[in-house]
Amino acid sequence: EAGVTQFPSHSVIEKGQTVTLRCDPISGHDNLYWYRRVMGKEIKFLLHFVKESKQDESGMPNNRFLAERTGGTYSTLKVQPAELEDSGVYFCASSQAKGGGFIETQYFGPGTRLLVL
Amino acid sequence: AQKVTQAQTEISVVEKEDVTLDCVYETRDTTYYLFWYKQPPSGELVFLIRRNSFDEQNEISGRYSWNFQKSTSSFNFTITASQVVDSAVYFCALSEAPQGGSEKLVFGKGTKLTVNP
Repeated sequence: EAGVTQFPSHSVIEKGQTVTLRCDPISGHDNLYWYRRVMGKEIKFLLHFVKESKQDESGMPNNRFLAERTGGTYSTLKVQPAELEDSGVYFCASSQAKGGGFIETQYFGPGTRLLVL
Repeated sequence: AQKVTQAQTEISVVEKEDVTLDCVYETRDTTYYLFWYKQPPSGELVFLIRRNSFDEQNEISGRYSWNFQKSTSSFNFTITASQVVDSAVYFCALSEAPQGGSEKLVFGKGTKLTVNP
């Protein structure tokens, strides 16, 4: 079974440009998460989809970030316009549907390394 | 508020030594889950273990073992007879089980383990 995949693996852009990151979750996983690790800091939660709906977007830093998950399959995270502080590694994770307060394990992709110059 | 502290930023050992990675957490909930992930040099986050707050049994998997102690809010990870392939950054993470809420993970800053031959 294929794991979580992310594209691209690396992206170098200039400040003010737009970048779109893509995540393909494990097949059948309803939950999809985006996280980010800025240099030297913790991995931090950005948002959570359940199928195509945003369950929690409390971690999104500002309105320059837009996440979508059309059809409840893959997801995209667009940064527009990118700023220097957006540089970091963006991870995607997916998990199966939960029930009754039981938490499923999140399986992570390899991440996209974004560098904004 | 949830918080995970990994006080050891970097650890360096010689092959075959035992090493323990510390993880201390804070949460107000009585129901929560703890995780360990490994990030090898290739960059992906690899799931190692999940523990729920009602199960304080220690776990052993090969050379890996985990010691969960609610009394000290700790979930430490020990590698016995370390090998070069164990070199990686190890992350401890916490997730609560909110009713209908997001199961986002809160990560520690990670401990970089280097095992020298």
